[in-house]
Order: sequence, then C-alpha cells, then structure tokens
Amino acid sequence: EDQVTQSPEALRLQEGESSSLNCSYTVSGLRGLFWYRQDPGKGPEFLFTLYSAGEEKEKERLKATLTKKESFLHITAPKPEDSATYLCAVLPVGGATNKLIFGTGTLLAVQP
Amino acid sequence: GAVVSQHPSWVICKSGTSVKIECRSLDFQATTMFWYRQFPKQSLMLMATSNEGSKATYEQGVEKDKFLINHASLTLSTLTVTSAHPEDSSFYICSARPFGGFVGAQFFGPGTRLTVL
Repeated sequence: EDQVTQSPEALRLQEGESSSLNCSYTVSGLRGLFWYRQDPGKGPEFLFTLYSAGEEKEKERLKATLTKKESFLHITAPKPEDSATYLCAVLPVGGATNKLIFGTGTLLAVQP
Repeated sequence: GAVVSQHPSWVICKSGTSVKIECRSLDFQATTMFWYRQFPKQSLMLMATSNEGSKATYEQGVEKDKFLINHASLTLSTLTVTSAHPEDSSFYICSARPFGGFVGAQFFGPGTRLTVL
C-alpha cells in the first residue's frame, strides 16, 4: 500500500536555528513528490515539486531534497513567519492518475 | 498566478439543510478539480475528483448522493452538502490542476469552514 509518513509531528525552533523535516514514502513507483505549506484555517500553499532522486529545489530559506525513499525539507535560519504546518504528498505511478497521497504534516513553530 | 478561490470561506447552517460551496480557478483553466476535507490536526482526505463536463469520481466511503459535485466549466466546480448533519462539520478544501499542467501540480483554495448545528 502506498504510504507517506512525516516526522517529526511537531517541531519547535528558535529563530535562526536551522533544521530539517522528513517525509518518508513507500510507493511502487514515484511520479512526483510535493511540498506544501499550510497556515491555520487556510488551504495548502504549493512550495516544491521533486521528480527524481538527487533533485533539489530552493526557495528563500527552504530547500527540498529527494532520495529514493524520502525527502527532506531543510529550513535555514528560520523566522517566526515560517511557522506553519508543512505537508508532503506523493503521486504514485499507476493507480488513479491525479490522486495525491498526503502525509499528516509537521507543525513547525519558530519562536523569536 | 495559479490562484484558486472558494466561497463562502465559512458557513453555519442548521441540520437538514443543504450547503453549496464554490471553487473557482481565477487565472487559469482547470480540467480537473479536487475536493478534500480536513479534520482538526489531520491531513487532507480526498473526497472526489471532478473533471469538467463529466461525472465526479468519488473516493471509497464518500456518499455521492450526499456530496454532490458539479464541474460545469473549466473554472468552476461546486460541492453541495445535502441534508447536512453535525458530523459533516469540517474544513472543505478544493484544488485545481491547470489545463496541460503536470498531473500532480494542484493549487489549493483557501478552504471553507462548515459548521452544522
């Protein structure tokens, strides 16, 4: 069964304290892996798409990397405004063409 | 670009009434739209996939007669919760895939908070 697991469930950082969020996936084949940011009471905001192992994408303080089994979202020198829930989703090969499988998210809190 | 809107952003209704939620892609055409629901501190659960001009595909366990989906144009999909009950209270989020876009490239609306009294 296709599955996505995110860790940790929650993470509290001090402003400027860099860290990484993990997204482990089990799929028969990967068409794409997606990172989203979700603020409370809002819909997810698209951050990155990764397609193949070894690929990296960057946006401001965020950098996403991908291996054959997991993806990391690295946050460098985070600021309080980076506080949000970060969701990872995968699009497996086969199955329903458009169906994303989401992890449960990592709730990030950055304290000033 | 790739902006998706939802209306209303929140709604409170009495048990037994029906509620319609609109999802619009504002600056692109979307052949496929998706409806999710999200319970507190949980991830998104796909309810149905909606393709313009055809019937929606519902996920297992989702009652198609209770959650009516219409995708009449390339920029509008609606979700109607019929005969709503308190257990239908949730956060409903739509997403849209741009026409010609990679199948995974979904852009989400801001969500609609439904409370059924």
